Amino acid sequence: DAKTTQPPSMDCAEGRAANLPCNHSTISGNEYVYWYRQIHSQGPQYIIHGLKNNETNEMASLIITEDRKSSTLILPHATLRDTAVYYCIVKSGATNKLIFGTGTLLAVQP
Amino acid sequence: DTAVSQTPKYLVTQMGNDKSIKCEQNLGHDTMYWYKQDSKKFLKIMFSYNNKELIINETVPNRFSPKSPDKAHLNLHINSLELGDSAVYFCASSLSGRVDTQYFGPGTRLTVL
Repeated sequence: DAKTTQPPSMDCAEGRAANLPCNHSTISGNEYVYWYRQIHSQGPQYIIHGLKNNETNEMASLIITEDRKSSTLILPHATLRDTAVYYCIVKSGATNKLIFGTGTLLAVQP
Repeated sequence: DTAVSQTPKYLVTQMGNDKSIKCEQNLGHDTMYWYKQDSKKFLKIMFSYNNKELIINETVPNRFSPKSPDKAHLNLHINSLELGDSAVYFCASSLSGRVDTQYFGPGTRLTVL
């Protein structure tokens, strides 16, 4: 599975949009981009995934560049409860294995 | 109506002891996993079972033995516990397919003294 690169930390003001970038320049055509987050002392939580097209659900939006080499997770109105480590993971359907990197620690400030 | 549950939540034990952690999911999933998160917060997969069959077995010591009595349960038994086994262990489950979103339990914090 392709490797991802994320900034180690980011800050965001409460109520503003949080845009979390992820680079996955070696992604293959059959690999999906997944985002999970881990709030302190809890298990990881699935947020969203996509293959080529942009995706939106009740939690977030995922913007994938046309060449698929990078993506951005957008939390439209960040709240204090969104403070967590956000993991960008690239995985093909051929494996069940999620490989977690170091993620981005998003700190939402009041 | 907890989706993925683990027991116990905390486990403190002495070196050399044998202990088990239990996991249950009520999501109707057919695949279950064990992950380990160490003190540096790295989260790594250990095992995965699909329909009670072992499908992923990372380089984990033989002291760790998973058991899946049915699709809804995956237990982790650890023999001869060592200090380095101290970590948070997460269970997860998913429905196998092209996109198998995994749902995680709350974790079991194991401390070996």
